[in-house]
Amino acid sequence: GQNIDQPTEMTATEGAIVQINCTYQTSGFNGLFWYQQHAGEAPTFLSYNVLDGLEEKGRFSSFLSRSKGYSYLLLKELQMKDSASYLCAVMDSNYQLIWGAGTKLIIKP
Amino acid sequence: IAGITQAPTSQILAAGRRMTLRCTQDMRHNAMYWYRQDLGLGLRLIHYSNTAGTTGKGEVPDGYSVSRANTDDFPLTLASAVPSQTSVYFCASSDSNPPSGSGNEQFFGPGTRLTVL
Repeated sequence: GQNIDQPTEMTATEGAIVQINCTYQTSGFNGLFWYQQHAGEAPTFLSYNVLDGLEEKGRFSSFLSRSKGYSYLLLKELQMKDSASYLCAVMDSNYQLIWGAGTKLIIKP
Repeated sequence: IAGITQAPTSQILAAGRRMTLRCTQDMRHNAMYWYRQDLGLGLRLIHYSNTAGTTGKGEVPDGYSVSRANTDDFPLTLASAVPSQTSVYFCASSDSNPPSGSGNEQFFGPGTRLTVL
């Protein structure tokens, strides 16, 4: 079967750095996406990786290792507004997104 | 309209009733999707449409139907609602599916919170 695993919840301090991991087992691979979802709102796109390595976009970076079935999202200089759920999703061989359950990130002052 | 809109925002429905959730996008995206989101679970694909006039079944299609008469609209119908269909429903769209280039991220509507009693 297809499976996306990510931690249920993480806590970090304002101004710090946090890494959210995602491991996956899917039928085929056509890219990995990270989305941010604030409580009660829609998911919004953060990043996309299809090749191994690190993609940096401001305070957010995303890393992919296809051989290990592994990705992480790195958030630097955490702000209170970064409190949200972070969703990992893999596009499978049918070009459908398979979603993880999301990681709820709690930022403390 | 800017992006994707969904209606209604929320709804309480008696079991056995028919309900249509509306979704409209103005980005001229070819592909559209319906997901449900339940606590502790990832988003699950109900139905999708790669282009106007075509639809396909996702992971959890039973009890739902869709139509895609034009590019902009993608309504989701529950023919006879059951309590297990209580969920938050998100409509999304992307430029194309399969992707024509890199990325091809999906854009989401604000969601419909549906409670079936």
